[in-house]
Amino acid sequence: EAGVVQSPRYKIIEKKQPVAFWCNPISGHNTLYWYRQNLGQGPELLIRYENEEAVDDSQLPKDRFSAERLKGVDSTLKIQPAELGDSAVYLCASSLGMGAETQYFGPGTRLLVL
Amino acid sequence: GENVEQHPSTLSVQEGDSAVIKCTYSDSASNYFPWYKQELGKGPQLIIDIRSNVGEKKDQRIAVTLNKTAKHFSLHITETQPEDSAVYFCAASRSAGNMLTFGGGTRLMVKP
Repeated sequence: EAGVVQSPRYKIIEKKQPVAFWCNPISGHNTLYWYRQNLGQGPELLIRYENEEAVDDSQLPKDRFSAERLKGVDSTLKIQPAELGDSAVYLCASSLGMGAETQYFGPGTRLLVL
Repeated sequence: GENVEQHPSTLSVQEGDSAVIKCTYSDSASNYFPWYKQELGKGPQLIIDIRSNVGEKKDQRIAVTLNKTAKHFSLHITETQPEDSAVYFCAASRSAGNMLTFGGGTRLMVKP
């Protein structure tokens, strides 16, 4: 069974440019998460989806970050415009939902903003 | 909100020795405590988890203990091997599907 798929794996952009990350969760998983992991730290939740509904986006900087999960499967996280401090690894995770806690993580997208 | 602290930040052991990583949490309503292993360039991988109705869980060389009263939980790895070298993260959450709050991580180095 395929795990969580993310693309691209690496992205280098100049500040003020837009960037987008894509995530395909494990088949059948209703809950999808986006985390940000700064260097040397643990992941921090940005947003959580139950199917296509964002149910926890309190940590998402809404002035520049946006996310969507059309049709309740794939998801896209966007930053516009990017700032130097956005350099980090962006991790996508998924879980079955309906009471299942185990979250499975993708390999992440490493973003470097110059 | 929840706050999870993890110690030590780095741990070096000789192959075959045991390694122990400790975490404390602040939210008494947390009831799910997973441990993840993260290798360089990869996403975190679940290695073991424990729920608040259980005090200890073991899976081969890995065990986790939970003390709800003291609000701390620990990861124990016995007979360490060089391939155990990685960054380990503890985490806590209130309920199924909720956000995980991670500790700061422990870099474990197992010397052959």
